[in-house]
Amino acid sequence: EAQVTQNPRYLITVTGKKLTVTCSQNMNHEYMSWYRQDPGLGLRQIYYSMNVEVTDKGDVPEGYKVSRKEKRNFPLILESPSPNQTSLYFCASSSRPPRSADTQYFGPGTRLTVL
Amino acid sequence: AQSVSQHNHHVILSEAASLELGCNYSYGGTVNLFWYVQYPGQHLQLLLKYFSGDPLVKGIKGFEAEFIKSKFSFNLRKPSVQWSDTAEYFCAVTGQGGKLIFGQGTELSVKP
Repeated sequence: EAQVTQNPRYLITVTGKKLTVTCSQNMNHEYMSWYRQDPGLGLRQIYYSMNVEVTDKGDVPEGYKVSRKEKRNFPLILESPSPNQTSLYFCASSSRPPRSADTQYFGPGTRLTVL
Repeated sequence: AQSVSQHNHHVILSEAASLELGCNYSYGGTVNLFWYVQYPGQHLQLLLKYFSGDPLVKGIKGFEAEFIKSKFSFNLRKPSVQWSDTAEYFCAVTGQGGKLIFGQGTELSVKP
């Protein structure tokens, strides 16, 4: 089944404790992206990747890192999480970038709470 | 900075009422436009998209949207909503480079 998976689905952590949220897709998609969803703010793009070893900042990259060493995986790293990073995070992928009008396929979301 | 604005934050309708959700964007260049929907407990999924051609696009479940370039708008419509349309709806616009910019979302509640 074609899908985007994220792990973990739920995470409660403390300020400053490094964490990684994994994202994997099995559709051989070139484009992958991370978003955070906050009430009243919608989805905001954190980072995106056009292909392996190619990543770029979205609108809210501060406090986050990403890497794209393999086509299928696009982990999101919080080196020193803070309470303002408490949010619902979504990973998405598509065959080509959004300017090609390809459909984004979203993962199930990761709910992160930073105490 | 590019932005997308959805004017309605929460819309409450009765079944069979008509729906129109507003979406305006700020970027003046060539754009692709999307509406995504998030049903309760489900993944975000594509409702419809515009990239060229006929500015009136039809999507799944009877939804349609009209791209009006002069107004920088891409409003979503449905002539008669059902209880199963209860969901959160997001408008999105392609930005520079590989960006995709979403609006704040509109929560639609349909009363049976």
